[in-house]
Amino acid sequence: QQQVKQSPQSLIVQKGGISIINCAYENTAFDYFPWYQQFPGKGPALLIAIRPDVSEKKEGRFTISFNKSAKQFSLHIMDSQPGDSATYFCAASKETSGSRLTFGEGTQLTVNP
Amino acid sequence: NAGVMQNPRHLVRRRGQEARLRCSPMKGHSHVYWYRQLPEEGLKFMVYLQKENIIDESGMPKERFSAEFPKEGPSILRIQQVVRGDSAAYFCASSRFYGQGTDTQYFGPGTRLTVL
Repeated sequence: QQQVKQSPQSLIVQKGGISIINCAYENTAFDYFPWYQQFPGKGPALLIAIRPDVSEKKEGRFTISFNKSAKQFSLHIMDSQPGDSATYFCAASKETSGSRLTFGEGTQLTVNP
Repeated sequence: NAGVMQNPRHLVRRRGQEARLRCSPMKGHSHVYWYRQLPEEGLKFMVYLQKENIIDESGMPKERFSAEFPKEGPSILRIQQVVRGDSAAYFCASSRFYGQGTDTQYFGPGTRLTVL
């Protein structure tokens, strides 16, 4: 019930291409879905987040698509750049429980020049 | 405004020793979360604290692990009698409040614990 499944485990994209990472959750009580970016040796940094009252949110080159009925959400990185190479984690939380985050397993993205 | 601070950044302990990890939340933040990241895995929730209170410790092992967030000073994650399986990166995150709109958790740089 608390799991968040993330795919793919790793992704290689050419510069300028679109990177797509998918997540699925089980607990319908989740109401906050952030994506975090992590570089080696660093802590996760919030990239973009969405709530289930909207189906899409865009910030610059990053877009979250959310499908409430399918319990799935995805991150799209447009015009991917080598500097985007990092590990990306999706997460979910229930605000009423103090917002503890349940993370996906992570996707290691490599953008080739 | 300084971010979440954690120290030490790297900690090496021998089996059976104690490890103390410290976390200073962002200014104005009164909620602290600890997560553990094992090699090649995602982050797993351990414990959620507010000042002087443990709110949710459902992710923390029952033995050897404890956490506190005193009225003054940083939050401390304490691991007694460490074993090799405790080797991991431990991340602290802080937030301002919850249940009132977006409650972003800001993460520190982590403490990488190695148990020899």
